[in-house]
Amino acid sequence: DQQVKQNSPSLSVQEGRISILNCDYTNSMFDYFLWYKKYPAEGPTFLISISSIKDKNEDGRFTVFLNKSAKHLSLHIVPSQPGDSAVYFCAASARYGGSQGNLIFGKGTKLSVKP
Amino acid sequence: KAGVTQTPRYLIKTRGQQVTLSCSPISGHRSVSWYQQTPGQGLQFLFEYFSETQRNKGNFPGRFSGRQFSNSRSEMNVSTLELGDSALYLCASSELAGAVTDTQYFGPGTRLTVL
Repeated sequence: DQQVKQNSPSLSVQEGRISILNCDYTNSMFDYFLWYKKYPAEGPTFLISISSIKDKNEDGRFTVFLNKSAKHLSLHIVPSQPGDSAVYFCAASARYGGSQGNLIFGKGTKLSVKP
Repeated sequence: KAGVTQTPRYLIKTRGQQVTLSCSPISGHRSVSWYQQTPGQGLQFLFEYFSETQRNKGNFPGRFSGRQFSNSRSEMNVSTLELGDSALYLCASSELAGAVTDTQYFGPGTRLTVL
């Protein structure tokens, strides 16, 4: 059973517009969420995180929103740039402060930002 | 500081063989985690090591094993390879105790192909 779902395998956006990547989870015990970005031939890179005590976290062009009641989080990229083209993974953990092994990853969404 | 390095980058093996992959974490990082990435399953956690001790293990068969050395370098071994073991194997290191809130830095991965 997939506990973290990224239902859109791919997303195409025009440069300068907003990119919205979505992630749903099933485990109500998840209390810490992360987004990673992955370019081809490179390992994933940490992007932004949010704990369940917040509903929004911003870092420059990247904002993550958490809707606990809907068990849904989203990553907004504004404005989108061609360099943002990558695969984005969301991950969740049920143990704030627990070990890395408790991270459950989604299958990823491939974002393409067209010039 | 140099990033996480993984060797070899590419590997081709045949069914039944065994393979050893190596990971050198960022200098000063003591926690190392291993993940398997496949198109169908996304990133799945294999194990986590901290100070030469396995702290956590994912849901993989006993054919998958690992270890960490006193210099924090880590190896993972897969015995009796199966076709389904073809994947990108990613190593990640973190500075502190490997808590989920510590940023993980990923290596570029080892692409294993089993024929």
